[in-house]
Amino acid sequence: QQQVKQSPQSLIVQKGGIPIINCAYENTAFDYFPWYQQFPGKGPALLIAIRLDVSEKKEGRFTISFNKSAKQFSLHIMDSQPGDSATYFCAAQNSGGSNYKLTFGKGTLLTVNP
Amino acid sequence: DGGITQSPKYLFRKEGQNVTLSCEQNLNHDAMYWYRQDPGQGLRLIYYSQIVNDFQKGDIAEGYSVSREKKESFPLTVTSAQKNPTAFYLCASSKTGTVTNEQYFGPGTRLTVT
Repeated sequence: QQQVKQSPQSLIVQKGGIPIINCAYENTAFDYFPWYQQFPGKGPALLIAIRLDVSEKKEGRFTISFNKSAKQFSLHIMDSQPGDSATYFCAAQNSGGSNYKLTFGKGTLLTVNP
Repeated sequence: DGGITQSPKYLFRKEGQNVTLSCEQNLNHDAMYWYRQDPGQGLRLIYYSQIVNDFQKGDIAEGYSVSREKKESFPLTVTSAQKNPTAFYLCASSKTGTVTNEQYFGPGTRLTVT
């Protein structure tokens, strides 16, 4: 079964710290890896995404690092702020497939203390 | 404003009753999805549709039904056969024919069955 394993389940950092959330996948057909951010009671929102042929992508304070050989990718949040407190989901897709399905990790609850 | 609307935000039903959750999008997206979210479980795919009048079962379709009569609408019915219907339900949509599947989520409906 296709799986994306996400860790840690929860994470607490101080303001200014750099939380890192890790995801690992098994299906070598996956080639698109988005991250979603979800605030309590809201729907997830696309935060940043990376493709298989890129090792790193930065958007503002958010960076994805990708290790193709290890089949792992990570989200780093630079200079974290209390407003970044949310649940983060990684996901993966086989863009060559026919059904456009995303496979999600189980999420990481991030708390940034002031 | 373009986006996805889900109604109602909160829904309460008695056990044994069917209930229909609404999802409408004006993003002109061909594909639509229904997910269920439970604490610690991430997002689990219930049903998805890539085109009007066609839909496929996701990973946890038992006890649910959908229809896709219009491009803009993808209602989900939670039937009395669903054993644990209390959850947060999320609708999403995306373009088709693109390399990456950027899914856009609605605000969700929290269903409570007692």
